[in-house]
Amino acid sequence: GQQVMQIPQYQHVQEGEDFTTYCNSSTTLSNIQWYKQRPGGHPVFLIQLVKSGEVKKQKRLTFQFGEAKKNSSLHITATQTTDVGTYFCAGRKGGSEKLVFGKGTKLTVNP
Amino acid sequence: DAGVTQSPTHLIKTRGQQVTLRCSPKSGHDTVSWYQQALGQGPQFIFQYYEEEERQRGNFPDRFSGHQFPNYSSELNVNALLLGDSALYLCASSLRANYGYTFGSGTRLTVV
Repeated sequence: GQQVMQIPQYQHVQEGEDFTTYCNSSTTLSNIQWYKQRPGGHPVFLIQLVKSGEVKKQKRLTFQFGEAKKNSSLHITATQTTDVGTYFCAGRKGGSEKLVFGKGTKLTVNP
Repeated sequence: DAGVTQSPTHLIKTRGQQVTLRCSPKSGHDTVSWYQQALGQGPQFIFQYYEEEERQRGNFPDRFSGHQFPNYSSELNVNALLLGDSALYLCASSLRANYGYTFGSGTRLTVV
């Protein structure tokens, strides 16, 4: 079945350092979404990428969708303590209603 | 503008019992998806409802069933509870399936 893999599983950084999480799908995706879940909270939608090679920015966050639409990345520049949480990618195959989540990357930031 | 509302927030049940979880989607949303999230894991897709019909189902047994009402709210029912059903159950709503989901705060189910 459709699988979405994320690496790394955990990432610990010093405040001010950059952070990147990678997402790979076993199948070509029609779109990919990114979510952030704070400790004890629920996933919060960040962004959706649809086009091959698409790059979108939200302040310090940069999201990329691979040319083959099978991988994606989230890069955070100059992390802050407010960035702490687990970042999930979630992909959908064409023709499917199912949004499949990766296992997430848990980010901790040392002040 | 209310977001997604789930009830109850916490629930403790005994093995073999049945449970019903409820979800009211965000105003303007017509699609409801249910996910199970075990501790430290990503959300696992259970099923999705649109226009009162189950549109797609994940790899969950028939003990898991659901319903969507005309006002778009939804219920998740789990029969014959197992210890392994203990998890956070998340409801997510969206406008159609191809937009970002708004998640509720979830129902924490503990089976003892």
